[in-house]
This record gives sequence, structure tokens and C-alpha cells, in this order.
Amino acid sequence: DVKVTQSSRYLVKRTGEKVFLECVQDMDHENMFWYRQDPGLGLRLIYFSYDVKMKEKGDIPEGYSVSREKKERFSLILESASTNQTSMYLCASSLPDRPDTQYFGPGTRLTVL
Amino acid sequence: GDSVTQMEGPVTLSEEAFLTINCTYTATGYPSLFWYVQYPGEGLQLLLKATKADDKGSNKGFEATYRKETTSFHLEKGSVQVSDSAVYFCALSQGGNNRLAFGKGNQVVVIP
Repeated sequence: DVKVTQSSRYLVKRTGEKVFLECVQDMDHENMFWYRQDPGLGLRLIYFSYDVKMKEKGDIPEGYSVSREKKERFSLILESASTNQTSMYLCASSLPDRPDTQYFGPGTRLTVL
Repeated sequence: GDSVTQMEGPVTLSEEAFLTINCTYTATGYPSLFWYVQYPGEGLQLLLKATKADDKGSNKGFEATYRKETTSFHLEKGSVQVSDSAVYFCALSQGGNNRLAFGKGNQVVVIP
């Protein structure tokens, strides 16, 4: 069974902390994505990566960075967490040029106090 | 840019009722269209897709037809069950672009 796993289901951090969200996929997919999901706003793309060490900004990259050192792992970094980054974060992966193969992880609900 | 619009607000209906969720899109060219479903506590999973005009995607009793003339991809199910309670997202992707553009989602609650 294909799997995208995220390091935590729930996370509580304080304003100003550096936060790492980890995502691992076991499908040998080239593409990986980070989204945030907010009520009334749907899913918004933060960053994506189409290969190791490659990354591209999505629609809302401000306040975030990413790291892709290995094909199976894509990390989202909040350099200095703020309360407006409280959200559900979803990771996904897919084959190149096959958006219908985009598989999602279960999500990390991050609360920044 | 490309975008997807879903009808506003949650949908509450009784078991065995007919479900329709509206989705319209704006895109240059000929996108592929998708419906994703998110069950409580889970990530999104692909429900169905259509890649060209007049294609009908179907899965688990759900259907959606790609209508180029009305730029729509409405989701329908003839008789819903309590287990269909979830959030439903419409999405599109342009050829050669790995990105998906999602609608805002619709919460569907089915009451026994």
C-alpha cells in the first residue's frame, strides 16, 4: 500500500520557535508538495519540489522554507513561527506529469501559541 | 491564473438523498479535472477524474462529467450514506504542470 507519512499529527509550538515538519513517501515519487489547509480557504500550495535539492515557491511561500536532501523526504521549516501559521499542513507526492497520482499524508495540525 | 470555484457552504442531507456539489473552473487550454475526498482525520484521496471534454469520471457511486461548454465538473451521487460524510474538493491540473489548483472544499454531512 502506498504511503505518505508525516512526523506528527498534532504539534503545539510557541511564537518565535523554529518548527520542522517532516514528510516521507515510499513510492519513489519525484514530486513532493506542501500545502496548508484553512477553513474557507481550501488548500493552498506553499512549496513544491520536483527533484532532490530542487524546490519552487507555491502560492504562499512567505514565512516558510523547505529542504529536500533525499528523494523520499521533504521538510517544511517555519524559521520563526507566528500565530497566523496555525493551520493544518498536508504533504503530498506524485509522479512527474501525473497529477492524478498525487497522494496525500494524513496532515499535521500545528498550533502556534 | 487557473482556478476552481465550488459552491459556498456546507451541505447537510439525509441518508439516501441525492447529492450534487457544483464546481466550475477557469483555465486556459484543456485542464484535467479531479474530485478529492477528505474523510475525518485523514488526508485527501483521489475520488475520480476526467481528462478531456465529455469524459465521465466515476467511483464509489459518485459521478462527474467534464463539461467544456459550461466549464463545469459537478459531483453527483444518487443515494448518499452516512459514510459519505467528508469534505470534497474539486481540482484542476494543466498538462505538463504538476501543480493542482484546488477549490475551497465543501463539507458534506449525511444524517441517518
